[in-house]
Amino acid sequence: KNEVEQSPQNLTAQEGEFITINCSYSVGISALHWLQQHPGGGIVSLFMLSSGKKKHGRLIATINIQEKHSSLHITASHPRDSAVYICAVRESGGGADGLTFGKGTHLIIQP
Amino acid sequence: DAGITQSPRHKVTETGTPVTLRCHQTENHRYMYWYRQDPGHGLRLIHYSYGVKDTDKGEVSDGYSVSRSKTEDFLLTLESATSSQTSVYFCAISVGQGNTEAFFGQGTRLTVV
Repeated sequence: KNEVEQSPQNLTAQEGEFITINCSYSVGISALHWLQQHPGGGIVSLFMLSSGKKKHGRLIATINIQEKHSSLHITASHPRDSAVYICAVRESGGGADGLTFGKGTHLIIQP
Repeated sequence: DAGITQSPRHKVTETGTPVTLRCHQTENHRYMYWYRQDPGHGLRLIHYSYGVKDTDKGEVSDGYSVSRSKTEDFLLTLESATSSQTSVYFCAISVGQGNTEAFFGQGTRLTVV
């Protein structure tokens, strides 16, 4: 079973700061997801990665398959970025049997 | 949201009563999942389905059963609800090549009193 670790667990920053959230996993994967969950809200997939780097607006996600590590970066952070960010992986050859999730990073951006 | 609807969105029930949560999808996806989300644990897989009448257990399946008689509906049943099943329940689907894309429903907040 894959062990997915996220750091930090909690992060408070000022508006405009550059944010980095890290995720490491223990077993080879076919895909890694970064998810966003606002308080009381649903879960939205921000990125799905199997290699390299993806960018969407102010969000950047990278993955290093050899090191079993991924990072989510937020540039020019804004209070609306305040949310829980969750890393989730699908194991290689895992077929239909779901995702394994990290416990999430609770991000607060103060104005 | 890939057309995923969960119902009900909120429910309070008494210990020992049966409860059924429904996940409905509109796009004929094959793979569907039920997860529960609890503080300190993150999301954990309860059951999943890989087709009509094809289901399997996940990490935390004790006390839960599922059914999928139609492609579009995946039902989660708590036969006799307990306080430990108070949680937020999310339905999800996986799509795309290698089933790598994931979409989630809005969640059902269940409180067992």
